[in-house]
Amino acid sequence: GQNIDQPTEMTATEGAIVQINCTYQTSGFNGLFWYQQHAGEAPTFLSYNVLDGLEEKGRFSSFLSRSKGYSYLLLKELQMKDSASYLCAVRDSNYQLIWGAGTKLIIKP
Amino acid sequence: GAVVSQHPSWVICKSGTSVKIECRSLDFQATTMFWYRQFPKQSLMLMATSNEGSKATYEQGVEKDKFLINHASLTLSTLTVTSAHPEDSSFYICSARGAVETQYFGPGTRLLVL
Repeated sequence: GQNIDQPTEMTATEGAIVQINCTYQTSGFNGLFWYQQHAGEAPTFLSYNVLDGLEEKGRFSSFLSRSKGYSYLLLKELQMKDSASYLCAVRDSNYQLIWGAGTKLIIKP
Repeated sequence: GAVVSQHPSWVICKSGTSVKIECRSLDFQATTMFWYRQFPKQSLMLMATSNEGSKATYEQGVEKDKFLINHASLTLSTLTVTSAHPEDSSFYICSARGAVETQYFGPGTRLLVL
């Protein structure tokens, strides 16, 4: 079967760095997405990786290793507004999105 | 975990026809459902939010007369693309939210209009 694994919850301190991991087993691979979702709101797009390596976008970076079926989202200089759920999703060979359950990130002062 | 299904997963239609996509929450009651559209290598774009028994709220730039949304029950929402044209070809994803804040997404429907 197809599966996306990410931690259920993480806690970090304001100003620090946190890495959210995502591992996947899917039927084919056509890209990996990270989304941020604040409580009660629709998810917002953060990053897209289709090739191996690191994609940097401001305070957020996303890494992909297709051979390992692994990705991580790195958040630097954490702010209180970064408290949200972070969703990892993989597009499989049928171009269907396989979603992880999300990682709830709690930022403490 | 909660499961949301979408049907069909793929649809190919001729220009000018209408296409209906169903979104179902299989093991929970969805008070709110969301419809998204995604073009290749782009982010999800929220099209509309629908609450059971009331009219959908459309995002700016989304034509409500073209994309008809019905959320008649707590487990079913439908999106009808009326008079579809090739530019409507996209990947449509629904998501559903129940009593808790967690939003569960369907697998998506790929629409190709010829």
